[in-house]
This record gives sequence, structure tokens and C-alpha cells, in this order.
Amino acid sequence: DAGVTQSPTHLIKTRGQHVTLRCSPISGHKSVSWYQQVLGQGPQFIFQYYEKEERGRGNFPDRFSARQFPNYSSELNVNALLLGDSALYLCASSREAGNYGYTFGSGTRLTVV
Amino acid sequence: GQQLNQSPQSMFIQEGEDVSMNCTSSSIFNTWLWYKQDPGEGPVLLIALYKAGELTSNGRLTAQFGITRKDSFLNISASIPSDVGIYFCAGQSTSGTYKYIFGTGTRLKVLA
Repeated sequence: DAGVTQSPTHLIKTRGQHVTLRCSPISGHKSVSWYQQVLGQGPQFIFQYYEKEERGRGNFPDRFSARQFPNYSSELNVNALLLGDSALYLCASSREAGNYGYTFGSGTRLTVV
Repeated sequence: GQQLNQSPQSMFIQEGEDVSMNCTSSSIFNTWLWYKQDPGEGPVLLIALYKAGELTSNGRLTAQFGITRKDSFLNISASIPSDVGIYFCAGQSTSGTYKYIFGTGTRLKVLA
């Protein structure tokens, strides 16, 4: 079975631009979560979606938004990019919402210049 | 953002040695997870703990959910070179949200 797939794997954007990151969960998983991992730190929670509804949001500005589609895939959008948005963006899926262990994808490495 | 305290931050050990690391929080958690992350990859789930006092093993790895619900421990026995990587703990609070708070990480290096 395919794991969590994320695209693109790497990208470089300029300050002020907009970016869309995509995630396909493991087949049968209905919950998708997004995390930001800055170099040298642990992942920080951004969003969780379950059955297309937002179930949790971390301490990130409104420039960050996400959605989940009927096939349970998800997009993370970031507007007005700042240099500090440079990070590894991780998507994780689980069967249900709640206290289940996630399976992470390999991430999208975003560099803002 | 909020992160859990992990110790040690990094450690060098000889192949074959046992390793212990821990994770502490000021908040009570109802779930603890341990992940390993290799360079350029996402974290891989090693062990999940759901009950205070629970002791769970996965091969050479053993983890425990602290009875105070504010800490967790991970032990690796007879370390091998492929154990190299960064180990993260993650806890889910009882606040009703579904987010996990991750630790600062323990970087493990194994000397052959």
C-alpha cells in the first residue's frame, strides 16, 4: 500500500508569493494533519482535518489555510510568504480523528528567498 | 511554539550499548508517541502509549507512559548503527483538541 504522499518534494518561492502544498493520505485514512518543522526543531501543529471539516488549528497566522477534499486528500495554502515560513511541511494521516498515531509523509521542503 | 522537553539533546554511544531518553511536560497528556526521523524524511512512528503506567515494546525498543501522565521514556537496547537519527516524543493533551505537541528531539549517533 502507498504511504502518505506529498507534492512537491521541494520548492523555492519568493517573499510575498503564495504556495499550495498537496497531500494524499493512506487509503482508508480519513484524517489529515499538517505540521511545520523548522530546521533543528520538532514539528509544530498547523491543522487537522477529518471528514472535510477542520478539527483543530495551531498557533499560525491566517495566512495559513487548508482544506480536505471528498477523497480525503488535502491542500495547505500559505499566502504572503515570509522568510520565516521556510521549513519542512509534513502531512500526516490517521484512520480517524482522536488519539491515534499518525503516519507521516516525507514532507515538502519550502524555501522562501 | 510549545515544545516538550527531551533529554538528552544528543548522545554518542558505542554499538551494542543501551540507550535511554526521556520527555517531560508541564501538562497532562492522554497519549504519548515516539517517532524516529532520518535526514530528509518524515518521522516514523515507533511506539504509541495510551494509558498511564503502560510499558510497550517494539523489538529492541521499549517505552513507558509515566504514571504522572507528564512524562515518557524510551529505551533502546543493544544499539546498532541504523539506530542513528533524531528521536521525537509527542503528546496529546486532554484539552479535546487533536493536535500532538512534539518534543525538541534527541539526536542519537552510534559509533561502530
